[in-house]
Amino acid sequence: EDQVTQSPEALRLQEGESSSLNCSYTVSGLRGLFWYRQDPGKGPEFLFTLYSAGEEKEKERLKATLTKKESFLHITAPKPEDSATYLCAVQRIQGAQKLVFGQGTRLTINP
Amino acid sequence: NAGVMQNPRHLVRRRGQEARLRCSPMKGHSHVYWYRQLPEEGLKFMVYLQKENIIDESGMPKERFSAEFPKEGPSILRIQQVVRGDSAAYFCASSLGQGGEKLFFGSGTQLSVL
Repeated sequence: EDQVTQSPEALRLQEGESSSLNCSYTVSGLRGLFWYRQDPGKGPEFLFTLYSAGEEKEKERLKATLTKKESFLHITAPKPEDSATYLCAVQRIQGAQKLVFGQGTRLTINP
Repeated sequence: NAGVMQNPRHLVRRRGQEARLRCSPMKGHSHVYWYRQLPEEGLKFMVYLQKENIIDESGMPKERFSAEFPKEGPSILRIQQVVRGDSAAYFCASSLGQGGEKLFFGSGTQLSVL
């Protein structure tokens, strides 16, 4: 069974304090790994898709990386507006229409 | 460009009543997905539909739940005879294609069963 585990569950940082969120996964035939951001009361908002080990993608203060067993979301010099829950999801080659999500990391950036 | 529209945003039902959740995908999208988010749990896939077809309903509970995406109009997730355990946030997403395409999510319907 596909599994996605995110850590930590919650993380508090000071503005400007860089850190990383972890997403460990077990999937039979990975097609893609997705990162989403979810604000309270809203639906998830797409950030990145990674397809192969060694791939990296960047967007503003965020950078996502992928290995064969895990993905990291690095946040550099975060701002209060980066506060949100960050979700990781995997998509397998067979049954590619569904995503298996982790429980998320709730990130709070204090000014 | 309107995004994925879900209504109602909040729905309160008493045990035994029916709940109908609606989802209009983004313009031009013909693939619709429903996910459920229970308190303190991650998003769980329920069903994937294309116009007039259910493609994958492997995440749907076997009883009381059904979904449709008619040729005209929004996709509907229907829950009959609701129970307290059905209380959750239900999210709809749409995509332009299938498999590998990023999903665009609506803001969800929060269902509360009294």
